[in-house]
Amino acid sequence: DVKVTQSSRYLVKRTGEKVFLECVQDMDHENMFWYRQDPGLGLRLIYFSYDVKMKEKGDIPEGYSVSREKKERFSLILESASTNQTSMYLCAARDSGSSRNNEQFFGPGTRLTVL
Amino acid sequence: AQKVTQAQTEISVVEKEDVTLDCVYETRDTTYYLFWYKQPPSGELVFLIRRNSFDEQNEISGRYSWNFQKSTSSFNFTITASQVVDSAVYFCALKVAGGSYIPTFGRGTSLIVHP
Repeated sequence: DVKVTQSSRYLVKRTGEKVFLECVQDMDHENMFWYRQDPGLGLRLIYFSYDVKMKEKGDIPEGYSVSREKKERFSLILESASTNQTSMYLCAARDSGSSRNNEQFFGPGTRLTVL
Repeated sequence: AQKVTQAQTEISVVEKEDVTLDCVYETRDTTYYLFWYKQPPSGELVFLIRRNSFDEQNEISGRYSWNFQKSTSSFNFTITASQVVDSAVYFCALKVAGGSYIPTFGRGTSLIVHP
């Protein structure tokens, strides 16, 4: 099974700080995703990367950027954290191979609080 | 555009009851994939099942069963003899074949199983 790890389970930051959320997967999967999860809103896609150095905006990219310099690592960056970015952040990986229709494997999530 | 509706926001049952989680989807594509994920309180979404649009055979895995009906665009999930460990948020998702890398998630159904 793919193992997806996220650097922190809980994180508290102050408004205006630059925040890095790290995600690492150990199975050489091409696709990686960052979602945020808020009550009543389900999962919303922030960014995804279909391969190294490739990235595409999701539904809510504003206030975020990403970096994928190596296949196994996909970083989410909050350039200047704001209180409305308090949320649960979930990273996922998927083996696209010959299909983009495989299931995703998720990390345990990072619960970020911005004060 | 695709859409996944999980109309039940929260379901509360007593242990040993059977419970069905509804999932209704919309797509104009004829080839697509449907998924269910479980998110326990620990936070990590866990993949449960994937079905493709050409396979309407229902599936049973232990106490879990899935009913796929193209005629009603539904992919419902039933837990038989529920247990406290089944308490989680359950997400249904749809991915059309080819093209986009991105699945469409429903907003999730929170299942609470009381002892």
